Amino acid sequence: GNSVTQMEGPVTLSEEAFLTINCTYTATGYPSLFWYVQYPGEGLQLLLKATKADDKGSNKGFEATYRKETTSFHLEKGSVQVSDSAVYFCALNVAGNTPLVFGKGTRLSVIA
Amino acid sequence: ETGVTQTPRHLVMGMTNKKSLKCEQHLGHNAMYWYKQSAKKPLELMFVYNFKEQTENNSVPSRFSPECPNSSHLFLHLHTLQPEDSALYLCASSQDILRGHLGDTQYFGPGTRLTVL
Repeated sequence: GNSVTQMEGPVTLSEEAFLTINCTYTATGYPSLFWYVQYPGEGLQLLLKATKADDKGSNKGFEATYRKETTSFHLEKGSVQVSDSAVYFCALNVAGNTPLVFGKGTRLSVIA
Repeated sequence: ETGVTQTPRHLVMGMTNKKSLKCEQHLGHNAMYWYKQSAKKPLELMFVYNFKEQTENNSVPSRFSPECPNSSHLFLHLHTLQPEDSALYLCASSQDILRGHLGDTQYFGPGTRLTVL
């Protein structure tokens, strides 16, 4: 079956620290991979995506590279801000087989 | 603003009440979804509609009753809920569920925070 495993949180970082949130997946077929972000009191928003191996998704300073050999899609940001505090969800989607499969989410807290 | 709106944003109800959650999407999508997000649990898919037809019901208790009168609107009717049903209920939409095009994504509304007393 299809599944996503992401690192347990919460993650607490100081402002301007480097962020990595690990995500690995299991999928039948060739999935698209996504990171969604949920800010406090809001629904999920698409942060970035990658649709094939070696693609790099990027947005708002966040990046993630689709690594087929390690079945991973780790989220990174070089310098986090307080406004990045949110819950981050890794997800996958196999062509012709929506809906999305989500990880459990990782809460990030950035302190000034 | 994702193009998906949900009302109300907050709802408090007793176990004997009947209430409805509403979702509306302005994206021209044909598939709509209800999710339940509870504290410390993964997102749980509840229902999926494609072109107004229900295509998935993930063993959801009958006290939750979805309705999709057209491709732009989705309702979740609630009756005789339990305190453990308290959660954030998220609506989402996508172009459709049979699209084989890789990279299709879902667009989420802000959710309704439901508290059952």
